[in-house]
Amino acid sequence: DTGVSQNPRHKITKRGQNVTFRCDPISEHNRLYWYRQTLGQGPEFLTYFQNEAQLEKSRLLSDRFSAERPKGSFSTLEIQRTEQGDSAMYLCASSTRGSNQPQHFGDGTRLSIL
Amino acid sequence: AQKITQTQPGMFVQEKEAVTLDCTYDTSDQSYGLFWYKQPSSGEMIFLIYQGSYDEQNATEGRYSLNFQKARKSANLVISASQLGDSAMYFCAMILIASGGSYIPTFGRGTSLIVHP
Repeated sequence: DTGVSQNPRHKITKRGQNVTFRCDPISEHNRLYWYRQTLGQGPEFLTYFQNEAQLEKSRLLSDRFSAERPKGSFSTLEIQRTEQGDSAMYLCASSTRGSNQPQHFGDGTRLSIL
Repeated sequence: AQKITQTQPGMFVQEKEAVTLDCTYDTSDQSYGLFWYKQPSSGEMIFLIYQGSYDEQNATEGRYSLNFQKARKSANLVISASQLGDSAMYFCAMILIASGGSYIPTFGRGTSLIVHP
């Protein structure tokens, strides 16, 4: 069990640029989640995959955000035309099936928009 | 929609003492699960303990126990014998388990715990 891996750890970019983050879940986990966390807040749900299917997407999520999980393995989260308000920590988590199964989180990608 | 409330923004405890972190939840569903996570300053979220709504016993995991009071809709985390390494943010989260449930956790805003030597 190598844990959930996220890359990059930090991303600094100018407003208006596109950014892409990667998440490698624990290999036997079929569920994968993306969250956004700002200072002083709990993680806020963005989207959720079961295997390669994207089953839910937050209604708060702008069309500038898109996520994929090809072949049900790693996932990418892309933000297009970044805005100041996108500055946050982006967390990825994975879990197995079962309601009592905890999510295992990566260390996150911290995005800073200049 | 479900909601998690953590009313204590910050808590202080002396090393080796016990501390209780409060969590109340709001849902009309009968089948749900409650989680507690720890987030040290380094950023990673660490799972601590889980309680299902139909579990009759309060969950325990080492120094962590969950004081589950279903009628009051509270799921307080008790940390016994606090250690300096327990200093972190603590988040309570809930998922709905009923058929059609999305298994998407709702997190509270967290409580910052500082353990004094």
